[in-house]
Amino acid sequence: DGGITQSPKYLFRKEGQNVTLSCEQNLNHDAMYWYRQDPGQGLRLIYYSQIVNDFQKGDIAEGYSVSREKKESFPLTVTSAQKNPTAFYLCASSIPTGTNEKLFFGSGTQLSVL
Amino acid sequence: GENVEQHPSTLSVQEGDSAVIKCTYSDSASNYFPWYKQELGKRPQLIIDIRSNVGEKKDQRIAVTLNKTAKHFSLHITETQPEDSAVYFCAARLSGSARQLTFGSGTQLTVLP
Repeated sequence: DGGITQSPKYLFRKEGQNVTLSCEQNLNHDAMYWYRQDPGQGLRLIYYSQIVNDFQKGDIAEGYSVSREKKESFPLTVTSAQKNPTAFYLCASSIPTGTNEKLFFGSGTQLSVL
Repeated sequence: GENVEQHPSTLSVQEGDSAVIKCTYSDSASNYFPWYKQELGKRPQLIIDIRSNVGEKKDQRIAVTLNKTAKHFSLHITETQPEDSAVYFCAARLSGSARQLTFGSGTQLTVLP
């Protein structure tokens, strides 16, 4: 069954701790994205990657880091520098060329601070 | 960069009535405008999109209109049903921006039985 999988569904972070959110896709998509969703603020882009070993900052990259060592995987690390990390995090993928611009989203990770 | 404003933030309609959600964008170079629907506890899914060379697009009970001059686009849902209840997000993409979408803040649509 093709799709995009995020884990864990819920994650708790202690003060000063780094945490990593997993995102895996088997859709053979080149492009992957991380969005943050806060109530009443829509989806804001954190980082995106168009190809393996390359990624770019989005609108709210401060306090976050990513890697793209494999086409299928795009993990997001929320570092201790992110002072307000509580949010719902969505990973997405897409085909970056041609006319199919549809974003496929994962089911999300809810991150909370203890 | 692009800025997208979406109104209203909440909308309640009676079942069978129509619903309209409006978005405005700031950059006239934007050329792609999708709408995503997010049901409670589920992931966002694309329901319809429109490109800047088209003024209107329909898919059954859903339609999107685009006014490039005024820089706004709207989602129209006719004959609303309870399963239309969800959060709807509009988005815009700048031409040549490597597929970066800027999303609106979302509209919570509630269809009352």
